[in-house]
Amino acid sequence: ETGVTQTPRHLVMGMTNKKSLKCEQHLGHNAMYWYKQSAKKPLELMFVYNFKEQTENNSVPSRFSPECPNSSHLFLHLHTLQPEDSALYLCASSQNTGAAADTQYFGPGTRLTVL
Amino acid sequence: DQQVKQNSPSLSVQEGRISILNCDYTNSMFDYFLWYKKYPAEGPTFLISISSIKDKNEDGRFTVFLNKSAKHLSLHIVPSQPGDSAVYFCAASITGTASKLTFGTGTRLQVML
Repeated sequence: ETGVTQTPRHLVMGMTNKKSLKCEQHLGHNAMYWYKQSAKKPLELMFVYNFKEQTENNSVPSRFSPECPNSSHLFLHLHTLQPEDSALYLCASSQNTGAAADTQYFGPGTRLTVL
Repeated sequence: DQQVKQNSPSLSVQEGRISILNCDYTNSMFDYFLWYKKYPAEGPTFLISISSIKDKNEDGRFTVFLNKSAKHLSLHIVPSQPGDSAVYFCAASITGTASKLTFGTGTRLQVML
């Protein structure tokens, strides 16, 4: 496997369910990101982790709970979501977070539908 | 309030011609700009970037132009090829907060045979 992988690719869940999204990067990067892309809206940064430490939480509701056990893995735990949380969730990684030239590499995304 | 705007949701161009994708921004603090390309069922992939100290950056068929006074950048693809058909996202960041990319909504480019 190379690059950034995400599982599952599609997820349908009820509002009372608990589920988790998984992201894995095989690039040796130190930083990982979660983004949300809702229909007709731009990608919105949710969380940033650098060397396993969270460095950015973009005012995300607590029903989204990220976890970064190491620099290669990132999870997004979901619980009691709302239908408006239905979106494409993208994971990305970069070498570090300091320089503008630290290109972010994206995974294919998880298409989440909340019923 | 969207700080990065791509006002054209779609663009169709004939193969071999030039494609010009536009992006406007409102935050004068932005000093680094990127273009990403996205195919269906794939994540966005980095295409080209430009720092605010430059007004042009070229990479093969792709050239990005930056007009700071107008807060406008554009991506030129010449010649356009069918494989260029994708959604193109403009993004911007500020030095010191480079991990915080602000994206536009994207422009869908279709290159016709």
